[in-house]
Amino acid sequence: QSVLTQPPSASGTPGQMVTISCSGRSANIGSHYVYWYQQFPGTAPKLLIYRDNQRPSGVPDRFSGSKSGTSASLAISGLRSGDEADYYCSSWDTTLAVWAFGGGTKLTVL
Amino acid sequence: QVQLVESGGGVVQPGRSLRLSCTASGFSFNTYIMHWVRQAPGKGLEWVALMSSDGSDKKYADSVKGRFTISRDNSKNTLYLQMSGLRSEDTGLYYCARNGEGDLGQGTLVTVSS
Repeated sequence: QSVLTQPPSASGTPGQMVTISCSGRSANIGSHYVYWYQQFPGTAPKLLIYRDNQRPSGVPDRFSGSKSGTSASLAISGLRSGDEADYYCSSWDTTLAVWAFGGGTKLTVL
Repeated sequence: QVQLVESGGGVVQPGRSLRLSCTASGFSFNTYIMHWVRQAPGKGLEWVALMSSDGSDKKYADSVKGRFTISRDNSKNTLYLQMSGLRSEDTGLYYCARNGEGDLGQGTLVTVSS
């Protein structure tokens, strides 16, 4: 059971906006930054969002992160077939003293 | 630009040891907390350990406590993970990560098998 809770799957059609949620608690998301990773099969995870809503250089502005209370979200606008991947959220957990990860969300573009 | 390059992975028998390295460049390594994160085949990401910037503080996941040791050499911009008493469930890709910025390396594969 992951410390952070993500839906196992999400889907959308090309051009749509999709949102992936990440639920935690005050000890993690509620008091620490959230990070999002994108992972294609057979490749290393790629940092998509850091410090809740910052995009590394090279990440398109179609990807955006937000946080409210103990939950965070990753929004992908203008969905493309190339966005099909696994997405993970993460945040430090003060109580458990671990860098917690969500179980991952598999995004399918229909 | 920032680079994190892991090495040292391989195939090892259960109970044996292995040392992983992560060589960093493109940032002030000695000012960052660093992590090891792993991913078993077909599974999600799991945090393994962290070390403070000066090496004075270390934390471990319960699954590796007492078996793995994290260390660093700031003069060489390198982070290490000494793994002993390896088990089949330790098999996976091991990534180093920079705290606060979240970037990961490309990983090194550890396979524990007889």
